[in-house]
Amino acid sequence: SAVISQKPSRDICQRGTSLTIQCQVDSQVTMMFWYRQQPGQSLTLIATANQGSEATYESGFVIDKFPISRPNLTFSTLTVSNMSPEDSSIYLCSVGSGIGELFFGEGSRLTVL
Amino acid sequence: QKEVEQDPGPLSVPEGAIVSLNCTYSNSAFQYFMWYRQYSRKGPELLMYTYSSGNKEDGRFTAQVDKSSKYISLFIRDSQPSDSATYLCAMSGNTGNQFYFGTGTSLTVIP
Repeated sequence: SAVISQKPSRDICQRGTSLTIQCQVDSQVTMMFWYRQQPGQSLTLIATANQGSEATYESGFVIDKFPISRPNLTFSTLTVSNMSPEDSSIYLCSVGSGIGELFFGEGSRLTVL
Repeated sequence: QKEVEQDPGPLSVPEGAIVSLNCTYSNSAFQYFMWYRQYSRKGPELLMYTYSSGNKEDGRFTAQVDKSSKYISLFIRDSQPSDSATYLCAMSGNTGNQFYFGTGTSLTVIP
């Protein structure tokens, strides 16, 4: 399994501002995923981040709103831009083992006022 | 129809009870099946991982996969208050890169 560290663990932000979430993995991984978890709902995949290429976004998520960086095989960032209260959620970084397993970080709990 | 269906509960049981958590799915291409435990204010923790059909046991936890019925289960024996959490099922196809999640079942084990 991989050890995944996320920062910040929680934050309270004002409407219209942006927040960058960092994800650090203790080993080199090819694919990193960013999920959103809202109360009572399934985990929703925002995008897949591969090192050296543009992130692949899921339907309903766009790069202007959720820009992602993946500068190397152990690190990624997700920015939530121009935030609104609807962006209040838990954002999760995850990595796959390549054989069907998926491991998660502790999550970043975001509240937008 | 959702790819994965999971009863959200909540489920409340006395300490020592056997707990059964279930998910159904619609995609016959799913090959990898996982159960996650998520404590409040924490990220999901991979609890059990199964490839294809069959049973897998780890201590008090048993995962079962019935591909013919598209049905998976997680059994918790001798449940403890520390098992109180939300349990998420998840599955993926052969590529192992696209994952589908249930909404989670909230479990409370009462001392």
